[in-house]
Amino acid sequence: AQSVTQPDIHITVSEGASLELRCNYSYGATPYLFWYVQSPGQGLQLLLKYFSGDTLVQGIKGFEAEFKRSQSSFNLRKPSVHWSDAAEYFCAVGAVTGANNLFFGTGTRLTVIP
Amino acid sequence: DTAVSQTPKYLVTQMGNDKSIKCEQNLGHDTMYWYKQDSKKFLKIMFSYNNKELIINETVPNRFSPKSPDKAHLNLHINSLELGDSAVYFCASSRVATGPNYNEQFFGPGTRLTVL
Repeated sequence: AQSVTQPDIHITVSEGASLELRCNYSYGATPYLFWYVQSPGQGLQLLLKYFSGDTLVQGIKGFEAEFKRSQSSFNLRKPSVHWSDAAEYFCAVGAVTGANNLFFGTGTRLTVIP
Repeated sequence: DTAVSQTPKYLVTQMGNDKSIKCEQNLGHDTMYWYKQDSKKFLKIMFSYNNKELIINETVPNRFSPKSPDKAHLNLHINSLELGDSAVYFCASSRVATGPNYNEQFFGPGTRLTVL
């Protein structure tokens, strides 16, 4: 069965510091991987996605993620965090099972200290 | 133009009432979804509709009934609301799944339901 684990419930970083949010997945076939961001009181916005090809994918707002099949990971990174990046981040794996099913991790809340 | 819209944004109601949440997408997608986000922010699929037919019903109580009048709309009707139904409900849409290809989902802004 598909599953996604985000080991860090809450991360605090200083503005300007680098960031890495961890994501591990379990899926029997080629995974389709996503990172979404949810700002307080807002909906979900897609940051980036991996379908195939280059394992380092670039997204919006300066984010990138690297797919590592050997580690079943898809960690999200940003070299320099801005205060506006404070939000909830969700990793998800997509599976085609009659529909485009999407399984989410439990999220990582990011706090940015000025 | 908003791609996936939901109404209302906030819904406060009493236990036992019946309520509906509406969702519309103008992306020309064939598949629509409802997700529930609980108080711990966990997001889980509830329903998936493809061309007005139910594909996925993930162990959701039958008090929840999705209704799709056409492929641009997927409304969620909830009967006999309970305290545990309080959550944020997200609608999403995508192109139809074809073989092994995955089509990205686009999410609406969410509806925060509070049951008193």
